[in-house]
Amino acid sequence: SYVLTQPPSVSVAPGQTARITCGGNNIGSKSVHWYQQKPGQAPVLVVYDDSDRPSGIPERFSGSNSGNTATLTISRVEAGDEADYYCQVWDSSSDHYYVFGTGTKVTVL
Amino acid sequence: EVQLLESGGGLVQPGGSLRLSCAASGFTFSSYAMSWVRQAPGKGLEWVSAISGSGGSTYYADSVKGRFTISRDNSKNTLYLQMNSLRAEDTAVYYCAKVRYMITFGGVIRLDAFDIWGQGTMVTVSS
Repeated sequence: SYVLTQPPSVSVAPGQTARITCGGNNIGSKSVHWYQQKPGQAPVLVVYDDSDRPSGIPERFSGSNSGNTATLTISRVEAGDEADYYCQVWDSSSDHYYVFGTGTKVTVL
Repeated sequence: EVQLLESGGGLVQPGGSLRLSCAASGFTFSSYAMSWVRQAPGKGLEWVSAISGSGGSTYYADSVKGRFTISRDNSKNTLYLQMNSLRAEDTAVYYCAKVRYMITFGGVIRLDAFDIWGQGTMVTVSS
């Protein structure tokens, strides 16, 4: 089955840039989505189809995807960005299923 | 306002059954695929199952295949998850989610991101 690997944690100072990676075999050939989840809350979609943002998501959130790595970039990090972040793909190479990444805890110092 | 509201969670013994419901409002329910996602306490997100807008196509994670059944009643704008033969490892918060779109091209099926999530319902499997 397809596996998505994320770093367990990323720490960043306010105002700086956080980059969260999502590694998978030839992930660049798939559409990657990113979710933000704060404690006790449901996940929220922040980037879809590699680099598009839903309405209401700040431009500070951006995404890219190439080769074996997709990246979520949070610019000008704010305290409110502290959360868990998950990448996701739909895999239809052998069967049809979604895969979530292992998740990354972003800590704002 | 687009909204999803889960219900039906609770405490059940190993080997038991439970049916979750997800009531949708604010969008044309039958036009969208839907999905269930779960999260065990302190763990990450795990996809469980998905269903097409018509209900004619269903997809399952290997961990629940043969035990769980996803269905929908478009006349009631409601999504369901029938869970049988429950195990301790099924203990989790279960979320329903709306799929942005589903397309089929050249025999390939693609489901997109989850743009709307419910607040979740807790399922505890324990004796």
